[in-house]
Amino acid sequence: EAGVAQSPRYKIIEKRQSVAFWCNPISGHATLYWYQQILGQGPKLLIQFQNNGVVDDSQLPKDRFSAERLKGVDSTLKIQPAKLEDSAVYLCASSLENSGVAYNEQFFGPGTRLTVL
Amino acid sequence: AQKVTQAQTEISVVEKEDVTLDCVYETRDTTYYLFWYKQPPSGELVFLIRRNSFDEQNEISGRYSWNFQKSTSSFNFTITASQVVDSAVYFCALSTGNQFYFGTGTSLTVIP
Repeated sequence: EAGVAQSPRYKIIEKRQSVAFWCNPISGHATLYWYQQILGQGPKLLIQFQNNGVVDDSQLPKDRFSAERLKGVDSTLKIQPAKLEDSAVYLCASSLENSGVAYNEQFFGPGTRLTVL
Repeated sequence: AQKVTQAQTEISVVEKEDVTLDCVYETRDTTYYLFWYKQPPSGELVFLIRRNSFDEQNEISGRYSWNFQKSTSSFNFTITASQVVDSAVYFCALSTGNQFYFGTGTSLTVIP
């Protein structure tokens, strides 16, 4: 079974530029999560999708971050414009659950390491 | 407010020693789930265990064991006879409703 795919693996941009990350979850997984993991910290949940609807985006800085999950499969996370403090690893995860309650095992992708200069 | 505290930032042990990773959580919800994830140097987080708030039974899986105590809001993780392959960052996490909270992680180094 293929795991969660993410691309690109690494990205370096200048501040104020835009960047987009892509995630393809495990086939059949209804729920998709985006996390931000700053060096030395635990992952922080940014947004949770269930199929193609947003379950929770309370931690997403909506003035610069946006995310979508068209057709309930792939998802993209965008930052526009980027700031220095956005330097982090962006993790995508998926799980089977279909109830909006995060109780199932989450399968994580390898992450995208973003460096903002 | 929900919170997960992993007070141990880094731990080093010699191979074959036992090691316990501490996790303390805070929540006012009565229904919640606790997790442990492992993040090896490769970076991908790997699920280890899940516990719901109504199940305080301890669990053992091979060299791994978990101790859940609601009275102290703790969910500690013990590795018995540690191995070099156990070297990783370990995260404790709490799930309540739609939200998922990770601790700051404990970096474990097992020295051969």
